Amino acid sequence: GAGVSQSPSNKVTEKGKDVELRCDPISGHTALYWYRQSLGQGLEFLIYFQGNSAPDKSGLPSDRFSAERTGGSVSTLTIQRTQQEDSAVYLCASSAGGGGRETQYFGPGTRLLVL
Amino acid sequence: DQQVKQNSPSLSVQEGRISILNCDYTNSMFDYFLWYKKYPAEGPTFLISISSIKDKNEDGRFTVFLNKSAKHLSLHIVPSQPGDSAVYFCASVFNKFYFGSGTKLNVKP
Repeated sequence: GAGVSQSPSNKVTEKGKDVELRCDPISGHTALYWYRQSLGQGLEFLIYFQGNSAPDKSGLPSDRFSAERTGGSVSTLTIQRTQQEDSAVYLCASSAGGGGRETQYFGPGTRLLVL
Repeated sequence: DQQVKQNSPSLSVQEGRISILNCDYTNSMFDYFLWYKKYPAEGPTFLISISSIKDKNEDGRFTVFLNKSAKHLSLHIVPSQPGDSAVYFCASVFNKFYFGSGTKLNVKP
């Protein structure tokens, strides 16, 4: 498929455990974004990658959240010591460039539930 | 501090009628605006955009209007179809995307 893919599609974990969420962007897209959508909320920006570097990490809610991108492609969002308030849909998007106006193409999201 | 607001969480419209979805923003630096559509269990998909140098952009049944003085944009869908039933997010751009909380549109057959 040519779209953005994310895995797992659903994740249930216990409070205090670590989770890793994966995003495969559209091939050739240099920019990659992570968002979070909590119940009844809008899309909350988390982090933006241009290539392998992250010029904007301003949305990461705490130091329990980290992300990396390797080879200018796949990205992993890691949440350590998960809390119940981390429960949300985590969406990844990619765009051809990172100029801010480039259309972002979203994956289907990972639904995280922390018990 | 939400810079982009969609004050109507839901909207119900009869098939064939016009749907009007509204969005307000606070930052006058925003210079590009988009609407995304999201079906359940799918990621948002791009629908239509408008630059701040324009006040209207039309694409088939979808028209976006921008009122910069009021810091307001709206999406008009006419005629509305049942397949348009989805959550609609507006987004404003200044260096990065700022999304509203979404409006759930239900088009009744």
